[in-house]
Parts: sequence; structure tokens; C-alpha cells
Amino acid sequence: AQKITQTQPGMFVQEKEAVTLDCTYDTSDQSYGLFWYKQPSSGEMIFLIYQGSYDEQNATEGRYSLNFQKARKSANLVISASQLGDSAMYFCAMREPFQGGKLIFGQGTELSVKP
Amino acid sequence: DTAVSQTPKYLVTQMGNDKSIKCEQNLGHDTMYWYKQDSKKFLKIMFSYNNKELIINETVPNRFSPKSPDKAHLNLHINSLELGDSAVYFCASSRGRAGTEAFFGQGTRLTVV
Repeated sequence: AQKITQTQPGMFVQEKEAVTLDCTYDTSDQSYGLFWYKQPSSGEMIFLIYQGSYDEQNATEGRYSLNFQKARKSANLVISASQLGDSAMYFCAMREPFQGGKLIFGQGTELSVKP
Repeated sequence: DTAVSQTPKYLVTQMGNDKSIKCEQNLGHDTMYWYKQDSKKFLKIMFSYNNKELIINETVPNRFSPKSPDKAHLNLHINSLELGDSAVYFCASSRGRAGTEAFFGQGTRLTVV
């Protein structure tokens, strides 16, 4: 069963606007971690933001925020004030306890920022 | 002062050859990983080491052998390369198995011809 689902293969956003990238997950564990990564065309994987399952506040890092809705099992990434440099592939990932620390990744969403 | 560095960045080789990819992290992390990204950009765990001990081997062919000489290094050796091994291989590290961060190297694009 797919554990991490990103339903938007591609997204477009106008520069300076906000955009939400969707991510839903499936786990029966109470303790888990959710991650977002950015992969630009140069290929590296850039860590953006982390949300723990017990964190009551939504995580924020600069222009990135994670809209964590535990009951709905969703962990959407919100990018505010999009910039051209935000054009990239974005991956949602989950880490479950007792799984050796491995990350399980979604399929990714390709974001294109239009000038 | 790259946190997780892997070499080489590109590797082109013929079928049947043996090759190695090296990874080093200077973050003081105790857990390191190898991930494979296929042509559709899907990322999947291959191996995980914690303090030099193998803790995950995710049904990877025996031709792939990770080696961790110390907790700052995790190398990947691949024997008898096949066309299907062509992919991008990422090394990553984290503090423990439940850390709040996991950092990746820049990736090694392996092309088998």
C-alpha cells in the first residue's frame, strides 16, 4: 500500500503567489516524522522542513510552512511568495519508528514558477 | 565544508564492471543511508547503517555491497554492473533513527552502457 501520496504530478504558480503542495500519508503508528525535500534540476536533495507527529504547532522555515492535519493524515507544504528559484521537484517523505530511520518518499510534485 | 559529500558525481561504465561510490559526512551523525532514484524520480531506500552496523538491507541484489569503515563514511560497491543499475544514488545521514533532519549528498548519476 502506498504510504506517501502526492497527487499533483505538476503544478504551476505565478511568481510572488503562494502555492500548496499536497501530501497524504498512511501509518498506524502514533509516532512518526514528516519531511519535505526540494530537488532542483541540478539534482541535489535539499531538506526543507520537518514535522513530528506530536508537534502541536505547524512547522515553519522561512517561506516554507507545513500544514499538518493529523486526523486527515495530510502534511501539505505551503510556499509563500513564490520565487523563480522555487521551480523544482518537491518530495514528501515519512519516517516511522522502528524502521531503521529510513524515509519513505512520495512520487514527487514538479513545481514551475512563472514570471 | 559540505555536510554530506559523495564521489564521484557522475559515473559512466560498461556492463560487467565493478565500481564504487564513496560517501562522507561531517555532521557527527551516527546513521547513514543509501537511496536509489530511478528514471521516474522515485526514491527508495537501499541500505542503512547505524554506528557501522547494517540495520536495513532492502532486498537489494547481492551485487551491491555497502561498507562502513567508521560512522562518518559509508561506501557502496557494485559488482558486475547491469544496464538496470543506471540511476542516481544518494547517500544521506541523520542523527539516530528518529532524527528531525536527514541530509543528502549531491547524488551520483551512474550510467551503465
